[in-house]
Amino acid sequence: TQLLEQSPQFLSIQEGENLTVYCNSSSVFSSLQWYRQEPGEGPVLLVTVVTGGEVKKLKRLTFQFGDARKDSSLHITAAQPGDTGLYLCAGPSRDSNYQLIWGAGTKLIIKP
Amino acid sequence: DAMVIQNPRYQVTQFGKPVTLSCSQTLNHNVMYWYQQKSSQAPKLLFHYYDKDFNNEADTPDNFQSRRPNTSFCFLDIRSPGLGDTAMYLCATSRDGGGGHTGELFFGEGSRLTVL
Repeated sequence: TQLLEQSPQFLSIQEGENLTVYCNSSSVFSSLQWYRQEPGEGPVLLVTVVTGGEVKKLKRLTFQFGDARKDSSLHITAAQPGDTGLYLCAGPSRDSNYQLIWGAGTKLIIKP
Repeated sequence: DAMVIQNPRYQVTQFGKPVTLSCSQTLNHNVMYWYQQKSSQAPKLLFHYYDKDFNNEADTPDNFQSRRPNTSFCFLDIRSPGLGDTAMYLCATSRDGGGGHTGELFFGEGSRLTVL
């Protein structure tokens, strides 16, 4: 069974601090996606990482895919209140072209 | 802008009173999904359409049905809502589920359903 474990489940920090969110599995994934979901809205795709060891940057957000394609991390530099939301990682199921395996999410609150 | 639009955004219904939620997309994606999401949890796939081919997840209750009359529209029907069906219902699309596709999803803003 493919599982994605996210940590921490909840994080509340002050504006300007740095943070890292982790998405780990014992299974290999062909790719992993990161979504951000603001309260009352649908998830929005931030990035897809495909190649082992890949690093992608989106302004203050840095995404990394582990060399073995079993884990990923999201690092936010100088967090801002606008970064508040639920961060979800997801990867394609090997059993279905249409099913995604989801992490449980990291609820992030950035206090001004 | 191309997008996924869900209606209504908020729906309150009584126990047992049928509800229909709608989703339309201008992305021309051939795959459409319905997800259920409860309070800050990961979305749970209910079913998906590949074009007109309907695929039900094994643990989706029979109370939930779906229709896709054309490429652009998809409906979620909850025949007899229970209190446990209170949730956010998310419609999503993707280009294709074929081999090598990463399965990136484009979500609507969601329909928040409350069953009283």
